[in-house]
Amino acid sequence: QVQLVQSGAEVKKPGASVKVSCKASGYTFNGYHMYWVRQAPGQGLEWMGWINTNSGGTKYAQRFQGRVTMTRDTSIKTAYMELSRLRSDDTAVYYCARDAEDLVVVVGETGLGIDYWGQGTLVTVSS
Amino acid sequence: SYELTQPPSVSVSPGQTASITCSGDRLGKRYACWYRQKPGQSPVLVIYKDSKRPSGIPERFSGSNSGNTATLTISGTQAMDEADYYCQAWDSSTVVFGGGTKLTVL
Repeated sequence: QVQLVQSGAEVKKPGASVKVSCKASGYTFNGYHMYWVRQAPGQGLEWMGWINTNSGGTKYAQRFQGRVTMTRDTSIKTAYMELSRLRSDDTAVYYCARDAEDLVVVVGETGLGIDYWGQGTLVTVSS
Repeated sequence: SYELTQPPSVSVSPGQTASITCSGDRLGKRYACWYRQKPGQSPVLVIYKDSKRPSGIPERFSGSNSGNTATLTISGTQAMDEADYYCQAWDSSTVVFGGGTKLTVL
């Protein structure tokens, strides 16, 4: 069965960076885009970007441009999200999530949605 | 940037029908999806491609999308359906979420 297992909780100081990992199993890792979504305490879902797990190409939400880097290691079926210059309002649960569409399709073209989510990683930014 | 608007809260009595709306400019021209999130859990896809249900999602969940509004309908609402619900669409290969709606079953 498809599983996305994320790394554990992190506590960081303002200005630091955090790197969250997401290990996939149960499917062809480089056959689907991986999204990253975050959720601040008591708030809604916020899309951060996606990575084409085959080519490594990325698309980031404008508000994270310059601060976020998404990478992957296909040999160990793991995706990564690194966020730099952390601020207190970056405190949130960070999710990796699989796009249900095959990679060969343009993102969003067939409307299949996000079918699998990781368990979430709490990142706390505090001095 | 593209925006999706949901009501912050919806209340429904057990056994009744709950409708949660999601509004966006010409949303009906795009595909909409819906997710359910219970406290402390990851979101779960309940509707994709406007009106399709993933396997394992009860038939009481249905969706529609026309004009500027997508609607998630839960027929015969049960206490277990109490959760936050998020709509989602795409805009030029970026993902957009609505602000979420807290569904209360009382």
